[in-house]
Amino acid sequence: HSVLTQPPSVSGAPGQRVTISCTGSSSNIGADYGVWWYQQVPGAAPKLLIFDDNNRPSGVPDRFSGSKSGTSASLAITGLQPEDEADYYCQSYDNSLSVWVFGGGTKLAVL
Amino acid sequence: QITLKESGPTLVKPTQTLTLTCTLSGYSLSSSGVGVAWIRQPPGKALEWLALIYWNDDTRYSPSLKNRLTVTKDTSKNQVFLTLSNMDPVDTATYYCAHPKMIRGVINGFDPWGQGTLVTVSA
Repeated sequence: HSVLTQPPSVSGAPGQRVTISCTGSSSNIGADYGVWWYQQVPGAAPKLLIFDDNNRPSGVPDRFSGSKSGTSASLAITGLQPEDEADYYCQSYDNSLSVWVFGGGTKLAVL
Repeated sequence: QITLKESGPTLVKPTQTLTLTCTLSGYSLSSSGVGVAWIRQPPGKALEWLALIYWNDDTRYSPSLKNRLTVTKDTSKNQVFLTLSNMDPVDTATYYCAHPKMIRGVINGFDPWGQGTLVTVSA
């Protein structure tokens, strides 16, 4: 099982808002290590979506936003578009395990 | 522009040793503060961080694979090598190399990633 816990799937209609949660512990998210989010479309490598909790790299639409509170983080996507269908992964660092850790991934379906 | 590309065998037999190469462009392995990470993803499963090598040859390994993993680099060729011994079918995965990003002096995440290379372990 993954150190960071994500829901296996979420869905929404075009134009709607969805959120994806990422739950960790006091040795990773709660230890104030940054949370990073990646988008992975089928057959492609992961692409950075959010870095250091709530920062967007250039080129990422402002429909994507990140937040963090305590030992959890969330990715919000507003104005859902068909091309947002993908797998989304959160990632942080764990100082108890001394490893970089990923969530189990969340499949987003745009209905 | 930073790019990374993985190369190596697509099929290995159980008990064999896998060696993958990550070729970098857009940054030099001899520059202070840089490095390369290796991450893998079994088919249909989640991402798993494997290892990281820094510009100064300092390496970090996943504890679960530490006894089987070795990461080295050739600075003159701007390449990093991952060696995983005693391969098993459960090691079947897409293997990615990625550029570690520092925030406030600490490596927090990875961007960009290579395209990945699928390695199948089968007799």
